[in-house]
Amino acid sequence: EAQVTQNPRYLITVTGKKLTVTCSQNMNHEYMSWYRQDPGLGLRQIYYSMNVEVTDKGDVPEGYKVSRKEKRNFPLILESPSPNQTSLYFCASGPGRMNYEQYFGPGTRLTVT
Amino acid sequence: GDSVTQMEGPVTLSEEAFLTINCTYTATGYPSLFWYVQYPGEGLQLLLKATKADDKGSNKGFEATYRKETTSFHLEKGSVQVSDSAVYFCALSERSGGYNKLIFGAGTRLAVHP
Repeated sequence: EAQVTQNPRYLITVTGKKLTVTCSQNMNHEYMSWYRQDPGLGLRQIYYSMNVEVTDKGDVPEGYKVSRKEKRNFPLILESPSPNQTSLYFCASGPGRMNYEQYFGPGTRLTVT
Repeated sequence: GDSVTQMEGPVTLSEEAFLTINCTYTATGYPSLFWYVQYPGEGLQLLLKATKADDKGSNKGFEATYRKETTSFHLEKGSVQVSDSAVYFCALSERSGGYNKLIFGAGTRLAVHP
C-alpha cells in the first residue's frame, strides 16, 4: 500500500530535550516536506527536500533541522524543543517538480512542556 | 506572496443539506487550485483539483470551479452526509525555486449531524 508513515504519532517531552520525528514514504517520490498545523493558521511549511541531499527552508524553519540521506526517509529534528513548538506535524511527499498532489502522513502530535 | 483565504468555521449542517465553503486566493501567476480534506485523526488527502481557469474539479459529490475573474474556488456539495464531517483546506500551487509549493488556507471545520 502506498503510504507515508510517521513515528511517533504522539510525543510529550520537556524543553531542551532533543527529539527526532521520523518520516518514510514507499512511493519513490523525489519531493518530501514537513508542515506544522496550528489552529487558525492552517499548514505552514517547515522544510522541504527536492531529492537526496537537497533540502531547503520553508516558511517557518527556525528551531528545526532535517536531513535527506535516503530517498524514502526525511526525519525532522528538534535539537532543543521549546513550548512554542507544541503543534501537530505532518510529513508529505510528492512525485517531483510539477508537484500538484502531495501525500500526507497521519501526523505527529507534539507537546513540549 | 500568494495566499488563500477561506471562510471561518465551524460550519454545522444537518444531513442532506447543501454545502458551500468559500475560498478566495491571491496569486501573481496562474496557480492550480486544490481542496484537501482531513478526517479526524488522519492526515490530509486530496479531494479535488483544477489546473486552469473555468476548470471544474469533482470527487465524491463535491465540486469546485476555478473562477479567475473572482479569484475564487468555492467548494460545494448538494447533499452532505455525516461521514463528510472533517476539516477542509483550500490550497494553491505557487511556483517557487523550481518546484510547485502548496499554500494552504486556515481550514474550515464541517460538522454534519443526523
